[in-house]
Amino acid sequence: GIQVEQSPPDLILQEGANSTLRCNFSDSVNNLQWFHQNPWGQLINLFYIPSGTKQNGRLSATTVATERYSLLYISSSQTTDSGVYFCAVEYNFNKFYFGSGTKLNVKP
Amino acid sequence: DAGVIQSPRHEVTEMGQEVTLRCKPISGHDYLFWYRQTMMRGLELLIYFNNNVPIDDSGMPEDRFSAKMPNASFSTLKIQPSEPRDSAVYFCASSFFLTTGGTQYFGPGTRLTVL
Repeated sequence: GIQVEQSPPDLILQEGANSTLRCNFSDSVNNLQWFHQNPWGQLINLFYIPSGTKQNGRLSATTVATERYSLLYISSSQTTDSGVYFCAVEYNFNKFYFGSGTKLNVKP
Repeated sequence: DAGVIQSPRHEVTEMGQEVTLRCKPISGHDYLFWYRQTMMRGLELLIYFNNNVPIDDSGMPEDRFSAKMPNASFSTLKIQPSEPRDSAVYFCASSFFLTTGGTQYFGPGTRLTVL
């Protein structure tokens, strides 16, 4: 199967700081999604981004499919950004494989 | 739309009992996925349906697990008999035209504890 590695595994930020989360994958993929799992366990999709760059408010994501990585940028972080960020890659038709996540803690 | 609905939200049962988890996807979505999340293994895809038909169940751990989708608005995941190692959070997700721009929307999950 495919390997999906996320870094860093843990991240502590002061409110207002910026951060970059990385997702590396070991083979070509059809698609990629970023999710945020909030402290209550809800998984919320952030981006569906097989390639290129997308932005949504303070968040943006870039996927370089040819180099097998994706980046999630969080600017001006807020305490509500805390939680776990997952990337999931579509490898084989319709099968998504999740990374182990980056646990983010934003302190006030 | 109310989003993906799962029930129950929490389930505590004893080893050997049958457990049934339920999911109502977002109306109009044609794909439905069941995932399991554990500390040890993270998020794993168990099975997915397209237009109510099971497409890939290779992630279903054992014959004790079964899933059905009798219609476009309802799916069940059944574990019979349940074992303590089945304890996990089970998520249902739905999407539309996955490979052409769809994105997966997750339900709130069912936290299963098997004693």
